[in-house]
Amino acid sequence: AQSVTQPDIHITVSEGASLELRCNYSYGATPYLFWYVQSPGQGLQLLLKYFSGDTLVQGIKGFEAEFKRSQSSFNLRKPSVHWSDAAEYFCAVGGGATNKLIFGTGTLLAVQP
Amino acid sequence: KAGVTQTPRYLIKTRGQQVTLSCSPISGHRSVSWYQQTPGQGLQFLFEYFSETQRNKGNFPGRFSGRQFSNSRSEMNVSTLELGDSALYLCASTPGAFATNEKLFFGSGTQLSVL
Repeated sequence: AQSVTQPDIHITVSEGASLELRCNYSYGATPYLFWYVQSPGQGLQLLLKYFSGDTLVQGIKGFEAEFKRSQSSFNLRKPSVHWSDAAEYFCAVGGGATNKLIFGTGTLLAVQP
Repeated sequence: KAGVTQTPRYLIKTRGQQVTLSCSPISGHRSVSWYQQTPGQGLQFLFEYFSETQRNKGNFPGRFSGRQFSNSRSEMNVSTLELGDSALYLCASTPGAFATNEKLFFGSGTQLSVL
């Protein structure tokens, strides 16, 4: 079955600290992987995506993610977190001739001053 | 260019009623997808439309339906509302047919509360 797991429901980090959000997926074919961010009262915004090629993907707002096929993971990282990064982060997987994406349940990030 | 517009922003309905939500995609976008977002469940795919044709449907009961018009605007309808239908309904558009080649542009959603 196709699925995405984000094991951390809630994470709190201090401003300036590094961040890693975990994402594991189960997908029968070659996956297309995404990270989206949702600020309160807003829709989702794409941070980055992986289709093929270099397994380290750079995104907007200083985020990056690494695709590890052997671990079925696509973890999101940021070296130094800013207070404005507080939001909910969703990992998603898709593929094939469809716009259907399977989302994880999200990780809510809080940033302490 | 205007973003994805969803109306209304908030809705309060009672059990048994029906509701229609509207989504206007970004100008030039031909594909529209709908997702239901609830706490703890994340986003669940409802359906997607491309050029007025439903291409894919998620695992929701038949009470959930949708359509797309020739101008790419889309509506979704939920009949015989249940308490569990309370959720944020998000619409997303893309220029072409495949999200794997493009990114989804999301609206701010319609928050539906069923009492």
